[in-house]
Amino acid sequence: KAGVTQTPRYLIKTRGQQVTLSCSPISGHRSVSWYQQTPGQGLQFLFEYFSETQRNKGNFPGRFSGRQFSNSRSEMNVSTLELGDSALYLCASSSTGKETQYFGPGTRLLVL
Amino acid sequence: EDKVVQSPLSLVVHEGDTVTLNCSYEVTNFRSLLWYKQEKKAPTFLFMLTSSGIEKKSGRLSSILDKKELFSILNITATQTGDSAVYLCAVVWGGSQGNLIFGKGTKLSVKP
Repeated sequence: KAGVTQTPRYLIKTRGQQVTLSCSPISGHRSVSWYQQTPGQGLQFLFEYFSETQRNKGNFPGRFSGRQFSNSRSEMNVSTLELGDSALYLCASSSTGKETQYFGPGTRLLVL
Repeated sequence: EDKVVQSPLSLVVHEGDTVTLNCSYEVTNFRSLLWYKQEKKAPTFLFMLTSSGIEKKSGRLSSILDKKELFSILNITATQTGDSAVYLCAVVWGGSQGNLIFGKGTKLSVKP
């Protein structure tokens, strides 16, 4: 079974731009969660989608948004990028709960 | 406020040493505690702990949970340079698919 895939793997943007990241879950997994990882804050939960509906949301500003498609693929969007948005963005998929979550390789975003 | 605290934040040892990594937590409706290893990419799953006092073991790694004192430890014996990584502790809480909160991680460096 193919693992969780994320595209692109690396991205460089400038302040004020927007970015869209993509995540394809493991086949059959309906839950996709997004995380932001920075050296200072560690791994922080952004949001979770299940069957095209946002089920949980972390404590991030409205510039961070996401969606999930009928095939369970998910995208997250960050608008009006700030320097502090530079981070590794990880997505994870699961079928039966967070205990069985599988992580993708991440997208490393650098905002200049 | 729910939180997971790991200590130490970083650790440098020499090959052959034994290390103990700590994770304490305060969450409502605890379900399980997870340990991950992260080497510059996606976190990889190590252990899931749900019951107090039952040691989980995999090769040179072992872990145990104390639900009364709200902490877990991860032991690595006879460390090798390949053990160098960030070790993440995460707690799953709440119902349904659950919610996941991560500690900031312990960065372990093993010198030859």
